[in-house]
Amino acid sequence: EAGVTQFPSHSVIEKGQTVTLRCDPISGHDNLYWYRRVMGKEIKFLLHFVKESKQDESGMPNNRFLAERTGGTYSTLKVQPAELEDSGVYFCASSPNTGLADSFGDEQFFGPGTRLTVL
Amino acid sequence: DQQVKQNSPSLSVQEGRISILNCDYTNSMFDYFLWYKKYPAEGPTFLISISSIKDKNEDGRFTVFLNKSAKHLSLHIVPSQPGDSAVYFCAASGEDAGNMLTFGGGTRLMVKP
Repeated sequence: EAGVTQFPSHSVIEKGQTVTLRCDPISGHDNLYWYRRVMGKEIKFLLHFVKESKQDESGMPNNRFLAERTGGTYSTLKVQPAELEDSGVYFCASSPNTGLADSFGDEQFFGPGTRLTVL
Repeated sequence: DQQVKQNSPSLSVQEGRISILNCDYTNSMFDYFLWYKKYPAEGPTFLISISSIKDKNEDGRFTVFLNKSAKHLSLHIVPSQPGDSAVYFCAASGEDAGNMLTFGGGTRLMVKP
């Protein structure tokens, strides 16, 4: 079974440019999450999709970040315009929807991340 | 305000000895805790978890202990192996916190042969 994949693995752009990151979750996983790790610090939650719907986007830093998950399959995270502080590693994770009330305990499977550098 | 903290950024252990990684949390609404392991240029990989209704969970060489009153958990690896060298992240979640994981800053474990 293929794991979570992310594209690109690295992206170097200049301040003010636009970058779009892509995540393909494990097939059949309804839950898709975006996280970010900045400057070797803790990994921080950005947002959570259940199928194509945004369940929780409380971690999105500002309106320069736009996430979509059309059709409930892959997801994109667009940063426009990019700023220096957006540099970091962006991780995507997915988990199945077990339908259980305590599904918050489901293991999340992470992709390898996209390293974004904004110059 | 960091709700999950790993106060030791690094730990060095001799092969065969026990590695103990610690994690503290502040949010009493967390009731599920996970440890993830991360190698360079890879995403975090799930290692072991524990529900708040338990105080210990064991899986092979890995054991996680939870002390709810102290809001503290630890990961024990015994015996430690060189292949265990990685960054270990503690994470927490809870029904009221949504499905998202709240991570600590990570501890880099180095197991010396």
